[in-house]
Amino acid sequence: NAGVTQTPKFRVLKTGQSMTLLCAQDMNHEYMYWYRQDPGMGLRLIHYSVGEGTTAKGEVPDGYNVSRLKKQNFLLGLESAAPSQTSVYFCASSSRASPEDEQYFGPGTRLTVT
Amino acid sequence: LAKTTQPISMDSYEGQEVNITCSHNNIATNDYITWYQQFPSQGPRFIIQGYKTKVTNEVASLFIPADRKSSTLSLPRVSLSDTAVYYCLVGDKRPYSGAGSYQLTFGKGTKLSVIP
Repeated sequence: NAGVTQTPKFRVLKTGQSMTLLCAQDMNHEYMYWYRQDPGMGLRLIHYSVGEGTTAKGEVPDGYNVSRLKKQNFLLGLESAAPSQTSVYFCASSSRASPEDEQYFGPGTRLTVT
Repeated sequence: LAKTTQPISMDSYEGQEVNITCSHNNIATNDYITWYQQFPSQGPRFIIQGYKTKVTNEVASLFIPADRKSSTLSLPRVSLSDTAVYYCLVGDKRPYSGAGSYQLTFGKGTKLSVIP
């Protein structure tokens, strides 16, 4: 039981390049989330999904797109990377979409945009 | 969504009890209080959750006064491995509508440093 996994662990992009971050969970959770964490800022929600085929915007959605084609996978896309998107990205999942339900986090992806 | 306020950092010696207080003055009736722990280079991990009074598990205790405007995470006899950032999260139980955004705010957390 791997829990939540993220691919890749590290990535360096040049401004304007695109990439996709993959999150996978094997807990059969309905809800999945993408966060970014910047120094001194805590975690901020980018997008979330409450089921296969559904997505919704979080606190800081601009510059990102997401897709949930399969229940176990949640993809985060950057179409045209900017230096402001340099951050650590965490994926999480939960059985329900309420904050009182425990979220299980992946190990993170460290992205640098030059 | 209820805003939370925590100390930015705390230091403690090994073996001591550590209490981290979180203020959430505008907590709503249906909100729960949840604490997460984050070690360097790892994702956050759920520690404990409560609604009122006291909750205890194998890791920590959570004390919530009657007015629920604050909560205190208590870590008994900390060790070096408890050095981490601790986040207080107050939850909004709005059901998913599909139309608006749903904010989950972890805040900046409290950086606990345990000193040998």
